[in-house]
Amino acid sequence: SQTIHQWPATLVQPVGSPLSLECTVEGTSNPNLYWYRQAAGRGLQLLFYSVGIGQISSEVPQNLSASRPQDRQFILSSKKLLLSDSGFYLCAWSGTLPLEQYFGPGTRLTVT
Amino acid sequence: DAKTTQPTSMDCAEGRAANLPCNHSTISGNEYVYWYRQIHSQGPQYIIHGLKNNETNEMASLIITEDRKSSTLILPHATLRDTAVYYCIVRVVDYQLIWGAGTKLIIKP
Repeated sequence: SQTIHQWPATLVQPVGSPLSLECTVEGTSNPNLYWYRQAAGRGLQLLFYSVGIGQISSEVPQNLSASRPQDRQFILSSKKLLLSDSGFYLCAWSGTLPLEQYFGPGTRLTVT
Repeated sequence: DAKTTQPTSMDCAEGRAANLPCNHSTISGNEYVYWYRQIHSQGPQYIIHGLKNNETNEMASLIITEDRKSSTLILPHATLRDTAVYYCIVRVVDYQLIWGAGTKLIIKP
């Protein structure tokens, strides 16, 4: 069966510090991978998605970036965090259509 | 534009069937109907999807009308743990699900 891992579960970082969140998927090959953010009390915002190694599509221009160095690894990064980067970050994977997306446990990021 | 209309909130008694409606009157012939839910402080959870036929799995049943303009998600025996926001999604753009506001379902003891 497929499993998606995300870490850390919670993170408190000062403004201006770097960020690296990692997501890995087990039990499937060539998944579509996604990074979402959810602000408190708000809906899901898609940040990046990837259909293959090295292929990243950005949905929201901001100070975040994503990389996919391996087939089942997806990394979200920032060089300098802003207060507005606080939120609940979720990684997800899917096959191709139909789009059953499976989400990781999420990382709750607080930028202080 | 999410292309779906769902009630903002619903209540259901514990042990009863919860029936969550969704209108998608502009759905295209090749668009699937997906249902997800998000329990407070957790990531969304895939529930079920369908194209034309009714579907059932261990979590729920999905009833799609013959004209495909609406659907109903049925949780047969709701428990307190089913309290969540339920999302009906039909629009997909470049492998992205387009999420709406969903229905907040509250299961009452």
